[in-house]
Amino acid sequence: DTGVSQDPRHKITKRGQNVTFRCDPISEHNRLYWYRQTLGQGPEFLTYFQNEAQLEKSRLLSDRFSAERPKGSFSTLEIQRTEQGDSAMYLCASSLALIAGGPGTDTQYFGPGTRLTVL
Amino acid sequence: KNQVEQSPQSLIILEGKNCTLQCNYTVSPFSNLRWYKQDTGRGPVSLTIMTFSENTKSNGRYTATLDADTKQSSLHITASQLSDSASYICVVSPDATNKLIFGTGTLLAVQP
Repeated sequence: DTGVSQDPRHKITKRGQNVTFRCDPISEHNRLYWYRQTLGQGPEFLTYFQNEAQLEKSRLLSDRFSAERPKGSFSTLEIQRTEQGDSAMYLCASSLALIAGGPGTDTQYFGPGTRLTVL
Repeated sequence: KNQVEQSPQSLIILEGKNCTLQCNYTVSPFSNLRWYKQDTGRGPVSLTIMTFSENTKSNGRYTATLDADTKQSSLHITASQLSDSASYICVVSPDATNKLIFGTGTLLAVQP
C-alpha cells in the first residue's frame, strides 16, 4: 500500500495524559498537513510542512500541541496534557508541490485518520 | 471570516437518480476549489480541483461547476450508485497559503 498511513487508528486516553500520533506520507511527497475533524464537521487545518520545515500553524494549535517532521518524511503530532475537547479525528495528508511556495493546487491525499477519545 | 457553506446538510435519493449539491464560499483571496468525498470513518478523497479560471471539471459521474464571480460551486452526481453514499465536502484554498478550508459537508444516502 503506497497511500498515506497513520498510527494508531484509535487512541483512548485519560485527561492529562500525553499522546503522540504518527503519519507516514506517500513516498516523495514534499508537503505534509495535519487536520482535526470533530463529529459532523469538516476538517480544520492545524499545520503543514514543506519537507522538514513547518511553514504555517493554525491558531487552533495551542501550546499543548507540537508537530515535527525531522527528516522530511514521516511526521509526529504530540498533544500534551490532553483535555476532553481534544477528542476528535486527526487527519494527515500529503502532496507533491512542484513549485515551492506555489498556490497550492497540488492534490492532498489523506490518511485514514487517528481517532482520539479523551476520557 | 473565511467560510464555506454547503446545502443541503443531508440528502436521500434513490439509486440511479441524479443529484446536485451546492457550495457557497466567502474565502478571500481565492486560489482553488475542491470537492472531496469522505466515507464514514475514512479520510477524504479528492474528486475535483478547479482554479478561478475554470468553470467546470468532470471526474466520471461527478461534475463540478464553479462561478468565481458569485462564489458558488455545485457538484452534480449522475446515475447515483449505492457506493456514492458518503459525505461530500466543498473545500476552498486561499491564494498561496496551501491550507484547505473545509465546509461541513453534505451527507448523501443512496437507497436501493
